[in-house]
Amino acid sequence: DAKTTQPPSMDCAEGRAANLPCNHSTISGNEYVYWYRQIHSQGPQYIIHGLKNNETNEMASLIITEDRKSSTLILPHATLRDTAVYYCIVRVAWTGTASKLTFGTGTRLQVTL
Amino acid sequence: EAGVAQSPRYKIIEKRQSVAFWCNPISGHATLYWYQQILGQGPKLLIQFQNNGVVDDSQLPKDRFSAERLKGVDSTLKIQPAKLEDSAVYLCASSLRGTAEQETQYFGPGTRLLVL
Repeated sequence: DAKTTQPPSMDCAEGRAANLPCNHSTISGNEYVYWYRQIHSQGPQYIIHGLKNNETNEMASLIITEDRKSSTLILPHATLRDTAVYYCIVRVAWTGTASKLTFGTGTRLQVTL
Repeated sequence: EAGVAQSPRYKIIEKRQSVAFWCNPISGHATLYWYQQILGQGPKLLIQFQNNGVVDDSQLPKDRFSAERLKGVDSTLKIQPAKLEDSAVYLCASSLRGTAEQETQYFGPGTRLLVL
């Protein structure tokens, strides 16, 4: 799976949009971009994923550049409960019975009052 | 819908002792994963089961770690003997089939192990 690069930490004021970048310049055409987050002392939680097009769900939006070499996770109105480590993962679309997630060190997002 | 259950939540042992962790995946999920998360790092896959068969154990230290998933439901992960470097959070996750291209993995709360 392609390697990803994320900033180690970011701050965001509560109520503002949090924009978390991810670089995946070696991504292949059959690889999806996934985002998970991990709140302190909990297991990782799925947020969103995409292949080429921008995606939106009730938690976040995912913007993928046209060349697919980078993406941005957007939390439109961050709250204190969004404080967590956010992982950007590139994952092969089809691997038969193996669907491994390869986590990096992620971005630690701190939402402040 | 109940989530992935793990026990115990915390365990403290001395080096060279043995320890076992238990995981109960979401009902109906065929695929089960065990991850190890060392402090400050992201989770690392140790082993993946599809029903009761192993499909990936390439990163499992087989000289001391073992795992089983009898009857394709619950799973146990064992460490014997434990080393100091095994101190970590052990996360269990499950997914519906493990074969679909867009399948989501659901994680349990983890077991925090401290080896003294």
